[in-house]
Amino acid sequence: AQSVSQHNHHVILSEAASLELGCNYSYGGTVNLFWYVQYPGQHLQLLLKYFSGDPLVKGIKGFEAEFIKSKFSFNLRKPSVQWSDTAEYFCAVNKGNAGNMLTFGGGTRLMVKP
Amino acid sequence: DGGITQSPKYLFRKEGQNVTLSCEQNLNHDAMYWYRQDPGQGLRLIYYSQIVNDFQKGDIAEGYSVSREKKESFPLTVTSAQKNPTAFYLCASRSQGGGTDTQYFGPGTRLTVL
Repeated sequence: AQSVSQHNHHVILSEAASLELGCNYSYGGTVNLFWYVQYPGQHLQLLLKYFSGDPLVKGIKGFEAEFIKSKFSFNLRKPSVQWSDTAEYFCAVNKGNAGNMLTFGGGTRLMVKP
Repeated sequence: DGGITQSPKYLFRKEGQNVTLSCEQNLNHDAMYWYRQDPGQGLRLIYYSQIVNDFQKGDIAEGYSVSREKKESFPLTVTSAQKNPTAFYLCASRSQGGGTDTQYFGPGTRLTVL
């Protein structure tokens, strides 16, 4: 069965530090990849997505992610985090199957200290 | 104002009772989904519906039921057969076409079984 792994469950950074959150998936075929963010008390929002083309994808709020097919990875990055980036981040994979179902990673809880 | 609404935001129920969670969307999306979110486990798919009067089981459908009588509405019933129903429940709908299939999420309902 397809799985999505986010190896960092909790990350604590100081403001202005650089961020990289890992995401690996196990499916070998064509995939669509997503990062969602859940700010405290808010609903899940789409940060960015990859379907095809340039493997470096830019999203909202200065986030970007790089799809590395050979490593089955889609890591999320931000050069300089802010306190307002404190949230839980979820990686998700869609195999492009009939139901377009998403398989989610377990999430990474990021805390940014002011 | 377009979007996905879920009600209620918080729900309490006694053991042995069925309860129905509401999900409505006015985005004209055909497909809708129900996920369950538990700490450290990400989101897991309960049921999905690609079109009115049709729905399919997801990964953890046992103890749940759904209906899709209208395009805008996809209610989820948590039955007494669900062994561990306390969780955060998220509804999503999917935009499609143009190679940009993306799921958008509602604000969620937090169910607590007393």
